[in-house]
Amino acid sequence: DAGVIQSPRHEVTEMGQEVTLRCKPISGHDYLFWYRQTMMRGLELLIYFNNNVPIDDSGMPEDRFSAKMPNASFSTLKIQPSEPRDSAVYFCASSPTVEGTEAFFGQGTRLTVV
Amino acid sequence: GENVEQHPSTLSVQEGDSAVIKCTYSDSASNYFPWYKQELGKGPQLIIDIRSNVGEKKDQRIAVTLNKTAKHFSLHITETQPEDSAVYFCAASSDDYKLSFGAGTTVTVRA
Repeated sequence: DAGVIQSPRHEVTEMGQEVTLRCKPISGHDYLFWYRQTMMRGLELLIYFNNNVPIDDSGMPEDRFSAKMPNASFSTLKIQPSEPRDSAVYFCASSPTVEGTEAFFGQGTRLTVV
Repeated sequence: GENVEQHPSTLSVQEGDSAVIKCTYSDSASNYFPWYKQELGKGPQLIIDIRSNVGEKKDQRIAVTLNKTAKHFSLHITETQPEDSAVYFCAASSDDYKLSFGAGTTVTVRA
């Protein structure tokens, strides 16, 4: 398996524009997580899905952020409109169903909003 | 919610020496404690984990200890090598799959 695949690796956009980050989890993993990493706040869980259903979105910072998982092999994180303070590295991770197991992270998307 | 504190934030060691990173957690219900290593430009990668029914676990040069009474756990790296240089994160979770991460420790191994 190629692991968790995220795209794009880098994104530079202007303030106010819509940004869509994409993730393909490892096949067979039922859990998918979106994390944001910044120097100030470290790794923060934004939202996670189980069997394509959002379970906990309490980490989503604002209504400008939304996430979807239309099927087991694809998820998106959208920011609309984007702001400079959204600049961060966004990671997608997936886990199998067994409780308390490893979360496999993707390479991340480095987002810069100017 | 869970609050995980990690110390130190930076650690410089001579090659061959040991490195120790300590974490504390707040939620007594937490029962899974993984450690992740993040290299530059990459996502975090699990290096070792421990569950609450175990006090210590070792994998070659890496070991983790857990004290549930005191709510703290530690990562020990022995015989450090240059390739051990990275950012290390501890994390904790209870039964709901949510990982709460520490702030990270930047480890530099001096040759």
